[in-house]
Amino acid sequence: EDQVTQSPEALRLQEGESSSLNCSYTVSGLRGLFWYRQDPGKGPEFLFTLYSAGEEKEKERLKATLTKKESFLHITAPKPEDSATYLCAVQTSGGGADGLTFGKGTHLIIQP
Amino acid sequence: SAVISQKPSRDICQRGTSLTIQCQVDSQVTMMFWYRQQPGQSLTLIATANQGSEATYESGFVIDKFPISRPNLTFSTLTVSNMSPEDSSIYLCSVGTSFADTQYFGPGTRLTVL
Repeated sequence: EDQVTQSPEALRLQEGESSSLNCSYTVSGLRGLFWYRQDPGKGPEFLFTLYSAGEEKEKERLKATLTKKESFLHITAPKPEDSATYLCAVQTSGGGADGLTFGKGTHLIIQP
Repeated sequence: SAVISQKPSRDICQRGTSLTIQCQVDSQVTMMFWYRQQPGQSLTLIATANQGSEATYESGFVIDKFPISRPNLTFSTLTVSNMSPEDSSIYLCSVGTSFADTQYFGPGTRLTVL
């Protein structure tokens, strides 16, 4: 069974304090790993897709990396507006399904 | 990315009734999916909505409880049937255009069952 585990469950940082969120996965065959941001009362907002180990992508203060077992979302010098729940999801090659399997998310709070 | 809308945005329903949720996309898409997000939980895939054929359901979800229609490449509906308080969740549709492509999500429908 495919599993996605995110840590920590919650993280509180001071504005400007850099950190990393972890997403570890156990899947039969990885097609892609996705990072989303979700604000309260809204649908997930797409951030990154990673397809193979060693791949990295950046957007503003965020950088996502991928290994064969886990992905990291690095946040550099965060601002209060970066506060949200960050979701990791995988799409696998098993079973013919194209849907995503999500982790439980990391609730990130950036204090001014 | 596609612009996705859902109706209704929220509803409060009585036990035993049914609610149909609509998902409309502003462009043709290959894949449409329905997810559930229970309070304090992450997203769980309910089914893949297939255009012109029956939906493909994930383990634990059945057609009698969650019938899905997809009459064309821009529209789908999810019905939550014979509702109970345990069905109180946010229901989200998502769309993708190709194999291993990014999925984009709608704003969600917040359902409360009394």
